Amino acid sequence: AQKVTQAQTEISVVEKEDVTLDCVYETRDTTYYLFWYKQPPSGELVFLIRRNSFDEQNEISGRYSWNFQKSTSSFNFTITASQVVDSAVYFCALATDSWGKLQFGAGTQVVVTP
Amino acid sequence: DTGVSQNPRHKITKRGQNVTFRCDPISEHNRLYWYRQTLGQGPEFLTYFQNEAQLEKSRLLSDRFSAERPKGSFSTLEIQRTEQGDSAMYLCASSQPREMDTEAFFGQGTRLTVV
Repeated sequence: AQKVTQAQTEISVVEKEDVTLDCVYETRDTTYYLFWYKQPPSGELVFLIRRNSFDEQNEISGRYSWNFQKSTSSFNFTITASQVVDSAVYFCALATDSWGKLQFGAGTQVVVTP
Repeated sequence: DTGVSQNPRHKITKRGQNVTFRCDPISEHNRLYWYRQTLGQGPEFLTYFQNEAQLEKSRLLSDRFSAERPKGSFSTLEIQRTEQGDSAMYLCASSQPREMDTEAFFGQGTRLTVV
């Protein structure tokens, strides 16, 4: 069985603070793919990143960074110097087959206030 | 191409009525997925197509739900005899062929309210 857990329901920060979103996953497959999606109030899920199970290299993209650790089955996401536009729900997701067939976590609501 | 398009954006229906949603994927994408998202939860996979073939259906897809993709382009999701528990956001996504498998691109969803 597959499972993705995002224990943080909501995180509130003041603009320019850093925020880290936790994601813990479970799967018996040795090959799998992890994703982060952003869902702004408009509702459309926006792809942020994909990592393959055999590539534990961390990644940085602008103000976003991701920390993948197979030893703890975690794939955490950090927003540095948060901005009001970062306010959204962020979902962590897992796929073992098609990259479109995703097991999502419950999401973390990020609220950034000026 | 402006992305995945879903219609209608909102639908209010009375319990017991049938409803149909439409999804137009990105034109070159041959895979199409349907998800359901209830308030405060992540999207849940319902079913997916490769071209016109429906390859997988989740146990969440009860007998009252049916999805089609007759010509391998747009898809419809029909719910018969709607119940209040069907109230949710229905999301559609599409992706490239398997050998070029890319992440899924999502539409803005259809929000269904059953009263």
